Amino acid sequence: GAGVSQSPRYKVAKRGQDVALRCDPISGHVSLFWYQQALGQGPEFLTYFQNEAQLDKSGLPSDRFFAERPEGSVSTLKIQRTQQEDSAVYLCASSPARQNQPQHFGDGTRLSIL
Amino acid sequence: AQSVAQPEDQVNVAEGNPLTVKCTYSVSGNPYLFWYVQYPNRGLQFLLKYITGDNLVKGSYGFEAEFNKSQTSFHLKKPSALVSDSALYFCAVRDLDAGNNRKLIWGLGTSLAVNP
Repeated sequence: GAGVSQSPRYKVAKRGQDVALRCDPISGHVSLFWYQQALGQGPEFLTYFQNEAQLDKSGLPSDRFFAERPEGSVSTLKIQRTQQEDSAVYLCASSPARQNQPQHFGDGTRLSIL
Repeated sequence: AQSVAQPEDQVNVAEGNPLTVKCTYSVSGNPYLFWYVQYPNRGLQFLLKYITGDNLVKGSYGFEAEFNKSQTSFHLKKPSALVSDSALYFCAVRDLDAGNNRKLIWGLGTSLAVNP
């Protein structure tokens, strides 16, 4: 497709369940970013990939959060043993290899933990 | 440490009037600055960026931003606001001297309301 695609758009899970959020970046984009956005707040950086390499995971809030991009294209953000504070919108963005190019965002996955 | 401040939570303007959304930043090296807009239940859309060159940057939908190094500011402007400009606006910065890490630091956002 033409843009970044995220699925599902909405996810409801019970506390303690594991969830997996998918991101399909723009074809050919080398860099991929995951952000967490709480209601009424700005995006908070979670992690960054360049191709399949995870170069920065400093924003992952706990070891319950795990991200992968095994073939350098699609990425999955996994949250284990979900907690209510994990409720947020999770945004994925991608950008080309060239330096100084803007990030292109998907519409996000709204995660609600009951 | 890198940081971005958007001092106004909300800006209200009348349709047809000029608008300004403020942003100040702090980086240790040279800044790479962005503005994005977010409509309800949507991701962020890129408006414009500054790397080097002219301090006045023109972007999408008639928006522009002025880079001021001495004031470490990058305010977003539009000469004549439209009701459809009502949305959440985010400023972001990246330190160009931070090597290969492309992580952006984001402001908390400013809600723009344009009244008919």
